[in-house]
Amino acid sequence: KQEVTQIPAALSVPEGENLVLNCSFTDSAIYNLQWFRQDPGKGLTSLLLIQSSQREQTSGRLNASLDKSSGRSTLYIAASQPGDSATYLCAGGGGSQGNLIFGKGTKLSVKP
Amino acid sequence: ETGVTQTPRHLVMGMTNKKSLKCEQHLGHNAMYWYKQSAKKPLELMFVYSLEERVENNSVPSRFSPECPNSSHLFLHLHTLQPEDSALYLCASSQRAGGQGHQPQHFGDGTRLSIL
Repeated sequence: KQEVTQIPAALSVPEGENLVLNCSFTDSAIYNLQWFRQDPGKGLTSLLLIQSSQREQTSGRLNASLDKSSGRSTLYIAASQPGDSATYLCAGGGGSQGNLIFGKGTKLSVKP
Repeated sequence: ETGVTQTPRHLVMGMTNKKSLKCEQHLGHNAMYWYKQSAKKPLELMFVYSLEERVENNSVPSRFSPECPNSSHLFLHLHTLQPEDSALYLCASSQRAGGQGHQPQHFGDGTRLSIL
């Protein structure tokens, strides 16, 4: 059974720092790895999706990597801004229906 | 993003009430999902519908009853709920369910459900 773990659970950084959020998964037979952002009281916004055949994806200041052999994915945020404050969730897609298995998330706070 | 719309945004109900949550997607997707998000726990997949047929039911209690009348609409009918059912219920859609390849899921803002 796939389990997804995110470390740290919470992170507070000053504005401008580069930071890395970590995600690990137990079953390397995932189809894809998706990173989401969730603002308080809101749903999830998809940030990046990495297919199993890919190693990384980039969007603006965000870069996500996937290493299936080690069961890890990282989300790199460059030059963090207060507007980046949110909870970041990673989810591994797999199973007969490609279902997403989520981690508990990392709550990020970027201080001005 | 308004691709997936959920109503109501907030719902307070007693344990003996019957209510329904509604989800509508305007993305032309063929798969829709219900998730439950409780405090301190990861999102839990409840139901998956593909082309209006239920393809996954993750051992959800029968007091939750999904309905998918067409590929754009998904309902979650609630009856005789328990206090532990209080949570944020999220709906999502994707182009199709299952298999490999590019299958990003798009989420609504959820319904915050409180059981008295």
